[in-house]
Amino acid sequence: GQQVMQIPQYQHVQEGEDFTTYCNSSTTLSNIQWYKQRPGGHPVFLIQLVKSGEVKKQKRLTFQFGEAKKNSSLHITATQTTDVGTYFCAVDNYGQNFVFGPGTRLSVLP
Amino acid sequence: KAGVTQTPRYLIKTRGQQVTLSCSPISGHRSVSWYQQTPGQGLQFLFEYFSETQRNKGNFPGRFSGRQFSNSRSEMNVSTLELGDSALYLCASSFGSSSYNEQFFGPGTRLTVL
Repeated sequence: GQQVMQIPQYQHVQEGEDFTTYCNSSTTLSNIQWYKQRPGGHPVFLIQLVKSGEVKKQKRLTFQFGEAKKNSSLHITATQTTDVGTYFCAVDNYGQNFVFGPGTRLSVLP
Repeated sequence: KAGVTQTPRYLIKTRGQQVTLSCSPISGHRSVSWYQQTPGQGLQFLFEYFSETQRNKGNFPGRFSGRQFSNSRSEMNVSTLELGDSALYLCASSFGSSSYNEQFFGPGTRLTVL
């Protein structure tokens, strides 16, 4: 079945530092979605990537889809305390459903 | 536009009992997916319903079932509850197939099995 890994599992940063999480798949993906879940909250959609090598930006967040469409990254510039939460990638499981990665939990120290 | 709603928000049951959870999707959304979230296993897909038909099913035992009504509202049922069923159950709605469309999650139902 579809294998999805995310690294790191946890990340602690000082406010103002940058943060990057990586999502790796065992197979070529048709698309990938990113979600953020705040502590005690529910996942909230951030972005969907479809094209090989695609790069999308949302303010301080930069999302990238690998050239081989087997990996993706989310980079946050100058983290803020509002960035705290768990970031999940979700990959298409051959059109059947989405498989969520284990997530990267981000802590931001003020 | 109102978001996805789930009822009840919290539930405590004992082993062997059954439970029914409800999800009302965003108006106009025809797809409803259900997920189980636990600290150990993360977010795991249960099933997806689209226009009253189960489109996909995850790797869960037959004790987990669901259905969708003509107004797109969905219910999931868990029979013969086990301690390991304690989890946050999330539903998510999307306009089209969940595989290619943004999913909007509800607040979840926190189920505790004693």
